[in-house]
Amino acid sequence: DQQVKQNSPSLSVQEGRISILNCDYTNSMFDYFLWYKKYPAEGPTFLISISSIKDKNEDGRFTVFLNKSAKHLSLHIVPSQPGDSAVYFCAGNNNAGNMLTFGGGTRLMVKP
Amino acid sequence: DADVTQTPRNRITKTGKRIMLECSQTKGHDRMYWYRQDPGLGLRLIYYSFDVKDINKGEISDGYSVSRQAQAKFSLSLESAIPNQTALYFCATKQGAGGGELFFGEGSRLTVL
Repeated sequence: DQQVKQNSPSLSVQEGRISILNCDYTNSMFDYFLWYKKYPAEGPTFLISISSIKDKNEDGRFTVFLNKSAKHLSLHIVPSQPGDSAVYFCAGNNNAGNMLTFGGGTRLMVKP
Repeated sequence: DADVTQTPRNRITKTGKRIMLECSQTKGHDRMYWYRQDPGLGLRLIYYSFDVKDINKGEISDGYSVSRQAQAKFSLSLESAIPNQTALYFCATKQGAGGGELFFGEGSRLTVL
């Protein structure tokens, strides 16, 4: 049973428009959520995070929204740039178990 | 030089062979992890270690073993490789508990024929 799900395996947007990547989770013990970005032939790199006590966190063009009642979070990228083309993973942190659980990833393609 | 280094970066082997993937870090972090990535399944945790004397199984540890030789080194072994262990393997490090980020190596691509 996947505790973290990213139901869209891929997303294509035009440069300059908004990209919205979605993530659903089932584990109520997650106290922190993180987004990672992965380019081909590289390891994932941290992008942005949000504590479970917040509903929004913003860092430049990236904003993460958390809806705890729906067990849903989303990553907004505005404006999208071709360099944002990558695979994005969301992850939940279970502090009791001290581990990150990742979703399956969404491949974002930003077209010039 | 990368803070988290994995060797080898690519390896092709045959069913039944023993394989070791090595990871070393210069970040001074206490926690180290091994994940595997499969298409559509994201990153799944194989083993993790909070310090040299602490080793824990992750969600998919069957068929794998690990060794934490030093704080900076964490190796993953496949005692008898099988084709469904073909995947991209990542080592990661983290300092302490809580919601801090993991730092990943560049990955080791393993193909088992």
